[in-house]
Amino acid sequence: GAVVSQHPSWVICKSGTSVKIECRSLDFQATTMFWYRQFPKQSLMLMATSNEGSKATYEQGVEKDKFLINHASLTLSTLTVTSAHPEDSSFYICSARGEREASYEQYFGPGTRLTVT
Amino acid sequence: GQNIDQPTEMTATEGAIVQINCTYQTSGFNGLFWYQQHAGEAPTFLSYNVLDGLEEKGRFSSFLSRSKGYSYLLLKELQMKDSASYLCAALDSNYQLIWGAGTKLIIKP
Repeated sequence: GAVVSQHPSWVICKSGTSVKIECRSLDFQATTMFWYRQFPKQSLMLMATSNEGSKATYEQGVEKDKFLINHASLTLSTLTVTSAHPEDSSFYICSARGEREASYEQYFGPGTRLTVT
Repeated sequence: GQNIDQPTEMTATEGAIVQINCTYQTSGFNGLFWYQQHAGEAPTFLSYNVLDGLEEKGRFSSFLSRSKGYSYLLLKELQMKDSASYLCAALDSNYQLIWGAGTKLIIKP
């Protein structure tokens, strides 16, 4: 159980275009979803936390107008990178947390590798 | 501020034992996680400790000392597939994960 999927697994786009990444919890209800970015050989960097039905909470330095997050249901959250630039090229990973366990474990999706040309 | 410290890189030999240390300073504490991350892949859960002591799970064990703000991950009978980054993360008072930078473990034959 506790499977999280992400789509697409990789995407190449041109500078100035927008890209949407989907994160789904397949077998549990995710009350909270997290979006991370990871550059090569660096650790995870939390971008934002979203709770179903409410606005996402962005970490300091993350532009909310550039990285649009929608958590419309208990099983789906989307991250849209708007007007992408080459410096947005990175590995984007979502994770989901349900409230059924006391451990607050986060279940990670497989990640999306974004390349902006 | 909140901070997680762990070594950047470690090298060990196949079949041996390695211990990866992690120290943490957080606003409140609700447990400590260890995750494994292979290159180009997402992290996978290894262990969660909230009480002091050692938790053993097969070849992997995790230890926690809340009074010292210290944890370690112990890997026994190392296999080549254990080559990966190991991430330490502490759950703070807001139940947010504070991540360490990860320890890259290199296994040599």
